[in-house]
Amino acid sequence: AQSVAQPEDQVNVAEGNPLTVKCTYSVSGNPYLFWYVQYPNRGLQFLLKYITGDNLVKGSYGFEAEFNKSQTSFHLKKPSALVSDSALYFCAPRALTFGSGTRLQVQP
Amino acid sequence: ETGVTQTPRHLVMGMTNKKSLKCEQHLGHNAMYWYKQSAKKPLELMFVYNFKEQTENNSVPSRFSPECPNSSHLFLHLHTLQPEDSALYLCASSPSWDTEAFFGQGTRLTVV
Repeated sequence: AQSVAQPEDQVNVAEGNPLTVKCTYSVSGNPYLFWYVQYPNRGLQFLLKYITGDNLVKGSYGFEAEFNKSQTSFHLKKPSALVSDSALYFCAPRALTFGSGTRLQVQP
Repeated sequence: ETGVTQTPRHLVMGMTNKKSLKCEQHLGHNAMYWYKQSAKKPLELMFVYNFKEQTENNSVPSRFSPECPNSSHLFLHLHTLQPEDSALYLCASSPSWDTEAFFGQGTRLTVV
């Protein structure tokens, strides 16, 4: 079975502050984990993925994610949020299923 | 641009109409997907094609009918839809089912 959970419907953060969007996973075997971002009225864009190797994965637009096997988590992070980061973020174990999404709102 | 193109971008149709959504990719990907995105359910997988063969049908009503004539094109044929079918329909492709997916910009469908 492959599933992920995004426990927060919305995350609010001030511009310049660090941001975290949470994702926990439940997968059998080796986890393949992805983060995507969706801007209004657009399709999803791939941000980063974890397949194997380093637990800290770097992706597009300054985002990174930390794979934590003991906590079964794959949280998305950015050291300094921008207003333009405001969007809908999805965690996914593969292309077949997606988390429920977390809306990130960055306030100026 | 992701390399996945969907047409039309917007579609308004009556409940008795028949229309088709088109998706095209020239990325050489072997897997293609249809998703429905609505306010009630953020992202629902509808159909999966792998090497032009349908490998997943996620209990989708028969008023939605997919077609994959070749590895670059995917269609979603619509007929006798209901107002609750109004949503953003997204197409995606990937090299294989366990790699990242590339999404089109979607078709905003309104059923009146």
